[in-house]
Amino acid sequence: AQTVTQSQPEMSVQEAETVTLSCTYDTSESDYYLFWYKQPPSRQMILVIRQEAYKQQNATENRFSVNFQKAAKSFSLKISDSQLGDAAMYFCAYRRGLNDMRFGAGTRLTVKP
Amino acid sequence: DTAVSQTPKYLVTQMGNDKSIKCEQNLGHDTMYWYKQDSKKFLKIMFSYNNKELIINETVPNRFSPKSPDKAHLNLHINSLELGDSAVYFCASSWTATGTGELFFGEGSRLTVL
Repeated sequence: AQTVTQSQPEMSVQEAETVTLSCTYDTSESDYYLFWYKQPPSRQMILVIRQEAYKQQNATENRFSVNFQKAAKSFSLKISDSQLGDAAMYFCAYRRGLNDMRFGAGTRLTVKP
Repeated sequence: DTAVSQTPKYLVTQMGNDKSIKCEQNLGHDTMYWYKQDSKKFLKIMFSYNNKELIINETVPNRFSPKSPDKAHLNLHINSLELGDSAVYFCASSWTATGTGELFFGEGSRLTVL
């Protein structure tokens, strides 16, 4: 069974606009970590943002913020003031246990000038 | 100084050959991983090692044999390469019980089997 689901294979956004990428996950744990990673064409995996499940406050990193809904097991990423450099694959990830991180299938984000 | 480094970054070889990919991390992490990213960009965990001990072996064929000589190194040896092994292989590392839980990735090694 898929642990992490990203239902949007592709998304596009106009430069300077806002876009939200969706992610849901499946777990019976109460304490865990969630992440968004970015993979530009260079293929390097870059951490965008992380969320600890025990924290109710949504994480933010500059133009990136999350909407963490623990009961709904939802973890969406909002990118504000989109820039051309934001174009990439975005992966949602759930840290399962101490030595195991599972990724969603990814969302390809296109930014239109 | 690269935190997680993999070599080689590109590898082209014939079916049936044996090849190795090396990984080293200088972050002092106690856990290392191998992930496979297929042509559709799906990232699938293959192995994780904690302090040189195999923790996860995710139904990977026996042709794949990881080896961890120490906690800073995790190498991947692949025997009898098949066309379906063509992919990008990522090494990663993390702390197990402390830190922020994130994985630090290498730049990936693109394997092409002809």
